[in-house]
Amino acid sequence: DAGVIQSPRHEVTEMGQEVTLRCKPISGHNSLFWYRQTMMRGLELLIYFNNNVPIDDSGMPEDRFSAKMPNASFSTLKIQPSEPRDSAVYFCASSIRTSGGLETQYFGPGTRLLVL
Amino acid sequence: DQQVKQNSPSLSVQEGRISILNCDYTNSMFDYFLWYKKYPAEGPTFLISISSIKDKNEDGRFTVFLNKSAKHLSLHIVPSQPGDSAVYFCAASAWGANSKLTFGKGITLSVRP
Repeated sequence: DAGVIQSPRHEVTEMGQEVTLRCKPISGHNSLFWYRQTMMRGLELLIYFNNNVPIDDSGMPEDRFSAKMPNASFSTLKIQPSEPRDSAVYFCASSIRTSGGLETQYFGPGTRLLVL
Repeated sequence: DQQVKQNSPSLSVQEGRISILNCDYTNSMFDYFLWYKKYPAEGPTFLISISSIKDKNEDGRFTVFLNKSAKHLSLHIVPSQPGDSAVYFCAASAWGANSKLTFGKGITLSVRP
């Protein structure tokens, strides 16, 4: 079974440029999460969607960040304009709620972003 | 304010011995706990979980123990193998929190051959 797919795996860009990260969740999963990992702050939840609807975006650092989920099989995280402090590894994860109400999130391989 | 704390940043053990990774939490609403393992340049992978109605869950070499009164959980790996060398994240969620997981900062485990 294909897991969570993210693209690109690596992105190097210059400050001020627009960056778009992509994610395809596991088929059948109805929740999707975007995380950012840095040395200083560890794994931070940026935003998550349930049934394609944004539920909690309180982790989005500022208006330069936006995320969309136009359908159940695709999501994007966009940074415009990008800044050097956005350099991090960005992970996408998906999950499905079991009948017992418990969920396990499955992560993609991540996109390593470097903003020069 | 860190709600999930992994206070030891690293642990080194000999192959064949037991590895014990600790995690503390402050939010009494947490009722589901997970451990993830992460290799360099890969995403975290789910390892084992436990709900608050249990105090132990075992899966092969991996056992997670939960002490609700102390707000503490631990992951035991026995016997440890060199392939277990990775970063281990503890995570927690609360019923009704809409699936949101709170992660600790991780522990780097090194298993020496």
